[in-house]
Amino acid sequence: AQSVTQLGSHVSVSEGALVLLRCNYSSSVPPYLFWYVQYPNQGLQLLLKYTSAATLVKGINGFEAEFKKSETSFHLTKPSAHMSDAAEYFCAVSQYGNKLVFGAGTILRVKS
Amino acid sequence: EAQVTQNPRYLITVTGKKLTVTCSQNMNHEYMSWYRQDPGLGLRQIYYSMNVEVTDKGDVPEGYKVSRKEKRNFPLILESPSPNQTSLYFCASSLLAGVQDTQYFGPGTRLTVL
Repeated sequence: AQSVTQLGSHVSVSEGALVLLRCNYSSSVPPYLFWYVQYPNQGLQLLLKYTSAATLVKGINGFEAEFKKSETSFHLTKPSAHMSDAAEYFCAVSQYGNKLVFGAGTILRVKS
Repeated sequence: EAQVTQNPRYLITVTGKKLTVTCSQNMNHEYMSWYRQDPGLGLRQIYYSMNVEVTDKGDVPEGYKVSRKEKRNFPLILESPSPNQTSLYFCASSLLAGVQDTQYFGPGTRLTVL
């Protein structure tokens, strides 16, 4: 079975600093990976997804993620954090039946 | 506007009182799914449907029922709710059921069972 591990349930960065949210996956087949963001009291919004076309994936709001097969990782980064980035971020892997298997989530706090 | 809608958004109920959470999408999507979100656990799939009249269990189906009589609607039914079903529920849909099809999520329904 596929699984996802997000390291760090809470991450705090200063405004303007690099954002790095970690995601490692476990899969016996080539994975399809997603990052979703959840703003307070809202549903999940797709940030980006990896579907094997390119290892560096660019998403919305300046976020990007790099697929590294050797490290089984799909970390999310943004060069410069903005206050509006404060939210909870979920990494997920898709398996048969289009079931998304989610990590536990990482809450990003941005300090002014 | 393309969207997934859920009703109600908030619900407080008592143990054993049957309830239904509705989900509707206006994107003509084949695939629909229900997830529950609990702190520290992320989201877990309850049920999914690949097409009208086709439904199947996800990872945590106990205590829930679903039906898919029309393509656009996928209600979640709790026949006898219990306190351990207190959670945040999300409905999602995607065009097809392929592993790379993006799922679009509704705004969520926060359920409290007393």
